[in-house]
Amino acid sequence: AQSVTQLDSQVPVFEEAPVELRCNYSSSVSVYLFWYVQYPNQGLQLLLKYLSGSTLVESINGFEAEFNKSQTSFHLRKPSVHISDTAEYFCAVSESSGNTPLVFGKGTRLSVIA
Amino acid sequence: DAGITQSPRHKVTETGTPVTLRCHQTENHRYMYWYRQDPGHGLRLIHYSYGVKDTDKGEVSDGYSVSRSKTEDFLLTLESATSSQTSVYFCAISDRLSTYEQYFGPGTRLTVT
Repeated sequence: AQSVTQLDSQVPVFEEAPVELRCNYSSSVSVYLFWYVQYPNQGLQLLLKYLSGSTLVESINGFEAEFNKSQTSFHLRKPSVHISDTAEYFCAVSESSGNTPLVFGKGTRLSVIA
Repeated sequence: DAGITQSPRHKVTETGTPVTLRCHQTENHRYMYWYRQDPGHGLRLIHYSYGVKDTDKGEVSDGYSVSRSKTEDFLLTLESATSSQTSVYFCAISDRLSTYEQYFGPGTRLTVT
């Protein structure tokens, strides 16, 4: 079975500063990896995903994540955050066989300070 | 936005009463899920469905049952609500079990007093 650890429950950062949200996973088989974002009082929405190919994946709003198999990590980064990035971010993993549902981490609350 | 609605959006109920939450989709997706979200626990899967009348348990299924009699509807029932089931419940849908994007509903806030 897979598991996900998000190492920080809360990350405060000043506007225009860089940020990294950390995610480590555990699995005995190949995996797919995802980052979802939840804005206040809303459901989750997909931010980006890694299925195969290039280990660096990007979102349309400037976030990127890199799959590191040797370190079993999928950290999310943004070089310059905006107030509108304030949200909760969830890392998720599933088996690449496609036979199991996603497993979500506990989430990291990103607070961007003006 | 994916067509997913949840009803009710808010509910307060007493311990011991039955509660049914409804998820309705207009996307004709095969898979439907029920999650609960609690502070410090993130999102935990309760049950999911891979077709009409086909369901399976998730991580925290005790105390919950589900039914799916039509592709578009997935019901979550708390047979006898307890205070530990106070939570925000999210429904999600997807075309595939793990590789495709999951689309989430707006959530139902349930309070059991």
